[in-house]
Amino acid sequence: DTEVTQTPKHLVMGMTNKKSLKCEQHMGHRAMYWYKQKAKKPPELMFVYSYEKLSINESVPSRFSPECPNSSLLNLHLHALQPEDSALYLCASSYETRYEQYFGPGTRLTVT
Amino acid sequence: QQQVKQSPQSLIVQKGGISIINCAYENTAFDYFPWYQQFPGKGPALLIAIRPDVSEKKEGRFTISFNKSAKQFSLHIMDSQPGDSATYFCAASMSTGFQKLVFGTGTRLLVSP
Repeated sequence: DTEVTQTPKHLVMGMTNKKSLKCEQHMGHRAMYWYKQKAKKPPELMFVYSYEKLSINESVPSRFSPECPNSSLLNLHLHALQPEDSALYLCASSYETRYEQYFGPGTRLTVT
Repeated sequence: QQQVKQSPQSLIVQKGGISIINCAYENTAFDYFPWYQQFPGKGPALLIAIRPDVSEKKEGRFTISFNKSAKQFSLHIMDSQPGDSATYFCAASMSTGFQKLVFGTGTRLLVSP
């Protein structure tokens, strides 16, 4: 089973709201990732967690706050977003950081 | 040097034809080359991947050809079907340290019935 699940599928939020995106995998993977994808563009890496520790932050604004409560779960907390943050947010996981990455279906985020 | 150049940007192929998407890279330290398939509104799905120790890898109708000296690799989709219509991304990474994927710009494939 190579399934990564993400909730919610769609999210509309105002610029003053606080919301969270969730990602879950039960493949025993120890690396998890957040990507942002704009229309007709490739995914852009945001954060990498390895063994539940944040190992890479690709200079992402602080209005995005990742959290890895355990090896199966990854959250992305959102606060005071801008309309330009509207995008498809993808979670991915891999056995370790040097192995194949498997993506979830994404959360379509719209900031109004 | 971290870029992966992908062409064409879009491609229309008749059903039953061969779809060919090309990618080129500069960084000779790259040693892992996956292809992802993405349908509208969905996440990218790992399709097939190759490492430089082989020149070709085939899985069903999908084949990766790899030319190490030219620093190029390509995806061939044989007997293309309308269900193959999607965006395809090539990518490259290094297997040492963190495997950051460097994606190509994507190719939108349309297979006409």
